[in-house]
Amino acid sequence: GQNIDQPTEMTATEGAIVQINCTYQTSGFNGLFWYQQHAGEAPTFLSYNVLDGLEEKGRFSSFLSRSKGYSYLLLKELQMKDSASYLCAFLDSNYQLIWGAGTKLIIKP
Amino acid sequence: GAVVSQHPSRVICKSGTSVKIECRSLDFQATTMFWYRQFPKQSLMLMATSNEGSKATYEQGVEKDKFLINHASLTLSTLTVTSAHPEDSSFYICSAPTTSGIPNEQFFGPGTRLTVL
Repeated sequence: GQNIDQPTEMTATEGAIVQINCTYQTSGFNGLFWYQQHAGEAPTFLSYNVLDGLEEKGRFSSFLSRSKGYSYLLLKELQMKDSASYLCAFLDSNYQLIWGAGTKLIIKP
Repeated sequence: GAVVSQHPSRVICKSGTSVKIECRSLDFQATTMFWYRQFPKQSLMLMATSNEGSKATYEQGVEKDKFLINHASLTLSTLTVTSAHPEDSSFYICSAPTTSGIPNEQFFGPGTRLTVL
């Protein structure tokens, strides 16, 4: 079967670093996405990993290990505006997106 | 980047009425569009896949006669919530993948907040 799991909620301090983990199980895999969603708004694209390794994009980085079925999103120099939900989703063998439940990130001053 | 619009952004209606939500891809063609529903503090739930020129594919548990989907052109899909009831109150979001760039990267509309009184 297929499943995807990420923590429900995390709290971090402004200026710090936080890592949001995502684990998945699937027989077919065509890449993993991270999206950011602020309350009451639609998700916005953050990153896409299809090969193993780290993809860095400014303050945000995303890592993928296909053999471990594991990804993380790393947020550096946290700002209050980073308070949002972070959704991971993978593309299965049919190129259908399978969504995680999202991780609510709370940033404290 | 690709832009998806959604209209209306917010609608309040009485129980028993029908509500139509439009999703448009503004600068690209989308043979497929996705409709999601999101309840407060919950993640996205895929309702159906809208296919241009053919019937939509509904996820298990979604009533196709209640949530009518029409994908009449390569840039427009509509979701009609028929005989809406308070339990249908939710945030409805559409998305469309582009054929260029990252495969199946979803571009989301801004969402429609439906409140049924």
